[in-house]
Amino acid sequence: DQQVKQNSPSLSVQEGRISILNCDYTNSMFDYFLWYKKYPAEGPTFLISISSIKDKNEDGRFTVFLNKSAKHLSLHIVPSQPGDSAVYFCAASRYKLIFGTGTRLQVFP
Amino acid sequence: SAVISQKPSRDICQRGTSLTIQCQVDSQVTMMFWYRQQPGQSLTLIATANQGSEATYESGFVIDKFPISRPNLTFSTLTVSNMSPEDSSIYLCSVRSQGRTEAFFGQGTRLTVV
Repeated sequence: DQQVKQNSPSLSVQEGRISILNCDYTNSMFDYFLWYKKYPAEGPTFLISISSIKDKNEDGRFTVFLNKSAKHLSLHIVPSQPGDSAVYFCAASRYKLIFGTGTRLQVFP
Repeated sequence: SAVISQKPSRDICQRGTSLTIQCQVDSQVTMMFWYRQQPGQSLTLIATANQGSEATYESGFVIDKFPISRPNLTFSTLTVSNMSPEDSSIYLCSVRSQGRTEAFFGQGTRLTVV
């Protein structure tokens, strides 16, 4: 039972444009949602989180939106940069983290 | 954020042998976890390492296969026992401090079983 899903395995975006990564979840008991970025041969790096009582959180170029009724969250990266090319995982938390399957983002010049 | 050192960074092992992975954190943390990432897959939680007591394992993972130790608040080990090629994965140590929602990860151990 995959409680956290990222339905797009890959995304390709031009530098300077917006990247939108999506994530769906099934368990309404999750209290926090997080986004991680992972480069090859490295561990995941924490990017941004949002509480289940919020609908938006912003940190620099990164904004996470939460739609509880739809059980959906998204990560917006504006403007996208080539260094953002990595695999992005969303994760949901209730005592422990459950990860989605990841989306590979490629930002091209 | 905590600095997490994980050793070894990679290894190639013969089937039937065991490998112990070490995780050292530069500060005392409340919670330590071990994850596995199989090729092309997501991160799957193996267990929560509890200080001074037995680890709490997730469904599908057992102590005989993945014994875990946590003698203090800054150190833990994961052993992958009696390895088979299906155990070839990246194994990741993760830590979280009390009152914080985000968890931090070590760089991972890439294990190949031949």
